[in-house]
Amino acid sequence: EAGVVQSPRYKIIEKKQPVAFWCNPISGHNTLYWYRQNLGQGPELLIRYENEEAVDDSQLPKDRFSAERLKGVDSTLKIQPAELGDSAVYLCASSRISGSEETQYFGPGTRLLVL
Amino acid sequence: AQSVTQLDSQVPVFEEAPVELRCNYSSSVSVYLFWYVQYPNQGLQLLLKYLSGSTLVKGINGFEAEFNKSQTSFHLRKPSVHISDTAEYFCAVSLRRALTFGSGTRLQVQP
Repeated sequence: EAGVVQSPRYKIIEKKQPVAFWCNPISGHNTLYWYRQNLGQGPELLIRYENEEAVDDSQLPKDRFSAERLKGVDSTLKIQPAELGDSAVYLCASSRISGSEETQYFGPGTRLLVL
Repeated sequence: AQSVTQLDSQVPVFEEAPVELRCNYSSSVSVYLFWYVQYPNQGLQLLLKYLSGSTLVKGINGFEAEFNKSQTSFHLRKPSVHISDTAEYFCAVSLRRALTFGSGTRLQVQP
């Protein structure tokens, strides 16, 4: 079974430029998450999707960040314009509820450097 | 709200020695507990999880963890580490499907 796929793996941009990250979850997983991981810290949730609906976006900085999950499968996270403080690793995860159990599976992440 | 504290930011240990990575959590309700490992330039891989039942949980790569409700801890242990265990380890709690991570512990296995 293929894991969570993310692209690109690395991205270097200048501040004020836009950037987009793409995620393809594990087949059959209806829940998709975007996390941001700053250097030396654990991941922090940005947004959670149930199918195509964003059910938790309370931590998403909506002035510059946006996300979509068309057709409830792939997802795109966008930053426009990027700031120096956005440099981080952006992780995508997916899961499927089985009873009361849910395990999130993570992709390799996109490492963003804003200059 | 729940929170996770990983007490050690770095743990150096010699190969074949035992290791314990400490994790304490706070939550007013029951939560699920997880340990993830992150190798350099990779995503997070699930090591083990506690949902209910036996408080001793066995995971992959010879790791195990013990859930202690009275001490609100979920420490990770391995009786004999290998060089390949060098990585960042994250403890996490899940409440209503939201994962909250600790800041991580870097395990450095030396020959």
